[in-house]
Amino acid sequence: QSALTQPASVSGSPGQSITISCTGTSSDVGSYNLVSWYQQHPGKAPKVIIYEDTKRPSGVSNRFSGSKSGNTASLTISGLQAADEADYYCCSFATSNTWGFGGGTKVTVL
Amino acid sequence: QVQLVQSGSELKKPGASVKVSCKTSGYTFTNFGMNWVRQAPGQGLEWIGWINTNTANPTYAQGFAGRFVFSLDTSVNTAYLQISSLEAGDTAVYYCTKSRDTYFGDYWGQGTLVTVSS
Repeated sequence: QSALTQPASVSGSPGQSITISCTGTSSDVGSYNLVSWYQQHPGKAPKVIIYEDTKRPSGVSNRFSGSKSGNTASLTISGLQAADEADYYCCSFATSNTWGFGGGTKVTVL
Repeated sequence: QVQLVQSGSELKKPGASVKVSCKTSGYTFTNFGMNWVRQAPGQGLEWIGWINTNTANPTYAQGFAGRFVFSLDTSVNTAYLQISSLEAGDTAVYYCTKSRDTYFGDYWGQGTLVTVSS
């Protein structure tokens, strides 16, 4: 059972915006500004696209943005493209000094 | 350039042990911790833990302490994950991934498939 809760799937048409939620607790998402998001294409290693709730690593498109309210973090993909079709995972640091992933969300571009 | 190169796929019988290596280059090994993440076939990512490459102090996620052991050889900039008493449920791709101060995963190994089957 995953530490964080994500929707199993989200879909959108090219050019649209979609948002993926990641719900934790006051012991993880709500305690620290340490939520990161990873994109994983089939057969590939994950790639970090957001860290510290809202920051983008160098080279990551500004179409990806992160936000947080209380115990729920969110990833928004704007201007959806075919290349965005992938699995997305949130991850948060917790008061147990460990990290935990969400169950993952499959994004489908219609 | 930073590289993390993992050892090849393994096929093991239940009860056996396996040791996965993660050889690094392109950065100062002891300046950044190393995390281990696994992914069972068709399933999500699971954080196993991390090791401080400066002090060799490990931290394991709940459920992984005991059979899973992290180690280092700083002379060859390599991190290791050893799994003992393998079970079918350990069948997964195992990734090593470099730490940053407030997150991990700026660089990943290519993954090592460990298959446990009789």
